[in-house]
Amino acid sequence: AQSVAQPEDQVNVAEGNPLTVKCTYSVSGNPYLFWYVQYPNRGLQFLLKYITGDNLVKGSYGFEAEFNKSQTSFHLKKPSALVSDSALYFCAVRDPTGGSYIPTFGRGTSLIVHP
Amino acid sequence: GAGVSQSPSNKVTEKGKDVELRCDPISGHTALYWYRQRLGQGLEFLIYFQGNSAPDKSGLPSDRFSAERTGESVSTLTIQRTQQEDSAVYLCASSSRLNNEQFFGPGTRLTVL
Repeated sequence: AQSVAQPEDQVNVAEGNPLTVKCTYSVSGNPYLFWYVQYPNRGLQFLLKYITGDNLVKGSYGFEAEFNKSQTSFHLKKPSALVSDSALYFCAVRDPTGGSYIPTFGRGTSLIVHP
Repeated sequence: GAGVSQSPSNKVTEKGKDVELRCDPISGHTALYWYRQRLGQGLEFLIYFQGNSAPDKSGLPSDRFSAERTGESVSTLTIQRTQQEDSAVYLCASSSRLNNEQFFGPGTRLTVL
């Protein structure tokens, strides 16, 4: 079985400050992990993924995420937030050892960046 | 380049009517997914197509929901005898075997009156 949790419904940060959006997961084997962003009235856009290799993954728009196997986490980070980063962020996990190609998505975290 | 497209973008229907939602995936993507997103909530998996294999229908909430896909092209999600609780945004996504990430369409916002 695979599951993912985003413990925060909303994250507030001031523009220019660093941001973190949290994600933890549970899988039987080694996970495939993803972050997506959803702007208002739009579909989801892929930000970054971890499949294998370096634990620190860099993605679009200056975002990065760190895979931490011992803490089963994949938190999304950005050194300096922009107002335009305000959106809904989804973490997703897939367990490739189970043979399924269907990822499980978190409930989403609303990021609000204040000017 | 062309992304995933969905039509219509908005659909308002009366309770009890049937609706058909369309998804055009990215050319060459063998996998296609349908999700439902209710207001303020996350993504609810509905159905998954992979090439010519039998679809995974495990997420369909009732027998009023069905979907078809012809080969590796267009997919149609049909909801029969719509209910007010069917009101949501229906998202389609496609992916290739080489890349694991999904590419999403803009969604169809369905409102059942």
